[in-house]
Amino acid sequence: GENVEQHPSTLSVQEGDSAVIKCTYSDSASNYFPWYKQELGKRPQLIIDIRSNVGEKKDQRIAVTLNKTAKHFSLHITETQPEDSAVYFCAASNAGNMLTFGGGTRLMVKP
Amino acid sequence: GAGVSQSPRYKVAKRGQDVALRCDPISGHVSLFWYQQALGQGPEFLTYFQNEAQLDKSGLPSDRFFAERPEGSVSTLKIQRTQQEDSAVYLCASSLASGFTGELFFGEGSRLTVL
Repeated sequence: GENVEQHPSTLSVQEGDSAVIKCTYSDSASNYFPWYKQELGKRPQLIIDIRSNVGEKKDQRIAVTLNKTAKHFSLHITETQPEDSAVYFCAASNAGNMLTFGGGTRLMVKP
Repeated sequence: GAGVSQSPRYKVAKRGQDVALRCDPISGHVSLFWYQQALGQGPEFLTYFQNEAQLDKSGLPSDRFFAERPEGSVSTLKIQRTQQEDSAVYLCASSLASGFTGELFFGEGSRLTVL
């Protein structure tokens, strides 16, 4: 089955700096890669996703890049703000019924 | 309702008790998923329904776990003879289409603590 590894597990940045979270996956058939943000005690919420037919997608301060050859994808947050502090999860799916999540990255943005 | 609703939000059970966790998906959503999230971990897949059909239950950790969605809407996850290792947040998610063609909408989760 699919295995998703996520790094780093914790990330602390100064407000205004950029943050990068990286994930690798094992199943070359995977073709859908969402990122979820989960605030403490809250539900995971989709912030951005990418499909395998594109290499990069951007939405305001958030961007995701995908390298299918290397089987890794990354989340980039620019101009970080304190409200970006949360746990971020990457995930991968091969269009089957299972979305496999990474272990999460706790992002702390210091004012 | 406007989103996925789960109940109870918190459940404390004594080891050996049976528990039932309920999920109300977004109206009209075909797909429903259950995930287990241990403290500090990512969600792990338990089972998937397309309407009332349970198409994948490969993630259920043991035969003490049972899920149903009899009318293709509300779903219940039942855990029999609970063990301490069952302590986790159980997340329900729904999706408009079948399989993984789009966004999953998660509920707030049911936090189960087994003493």
